[in-house]
Amino acid sequence: GDSVTQMEGPVTLSEEAFLTINCTYTATGYPSLFWYVQYPGEGLQLLLKATKADDKGSNKGFEATYRKETTSFHLEKGSVQVSDSAVYFCALRSNSGGSNYKLTFGKGTLLTVNP
Amino acid sequence: GAGVSQSPSNKVTEKGKDVELRCDPISGHTALYWYRQSLGQGLEFLIYFQGNSAPDKSGLPSDRFSAERTGGSVSTLTIQRTQQEDSAVYLCASSRLNNEQFFGPGTRLTVL
Repeated sequence: GDSVTQMEGPVTLSEEAFLTINCTYTATGYPSLFWYVQYPGEGLQLLLKATKADDKGSNKGFEATYRKETTSFHLEKGSVQVSDSAVYFCALRSNSGGSNYKLTFGKGTLLTVNP
Repeated sequence: GAGVSQSPSNKVTEKGKDVELRCDPISGHTALYWYRQSLGQGLEFLIYFQGNSAPDKSGLPSDRFSAERTGGSVSTLTIQRTQQEDSAVYLCASSRLNNEQFFGPGTRLTVL
């Protein structure tokens, strides 16, 4: 079945540091890929997405590129801020068969950014 | 318009009691999903509704779990005879068909 593996952290960085959170996936066909973010005390929000190979999703200074050859969707940000402290989830949605609706999530990565 | 809402936000119950969790989706969203977020298991899919029908219940962990949706809107997730391993945050999401899922704030369930 489909699965997502992401670095579990926790990750602690200083403000303005470079961030990478690794995510790899296993799925049949060509899934859509997502990064969700959960800020303290809030619900899950979509951060960015990519629906086909070589697409780059970007939002709020975060980027991730859909790499079919390495089955990866790593999240990056050049300069993190304290306000980026949150839990980040990588997820996929299968686009084949009859399961093209449910999201399969990684276990989440807690990011803490210190001033 | 309003986002997905869930109630209660927190629920503490005793082992063996039944609980009901409610989800109000975004108006016009035909699809509704329940997920569970627990320590060690991450986020797991439970059930999917399209309208009032549930074509995929494959994620429900046992027959103590059931869910219904009425009027193509509100959904209730019921857990009978709760166990301590049911303690988790239960998340509801809604979407237009095969589009972005919008999540509610969740219900934190604690079974003592």
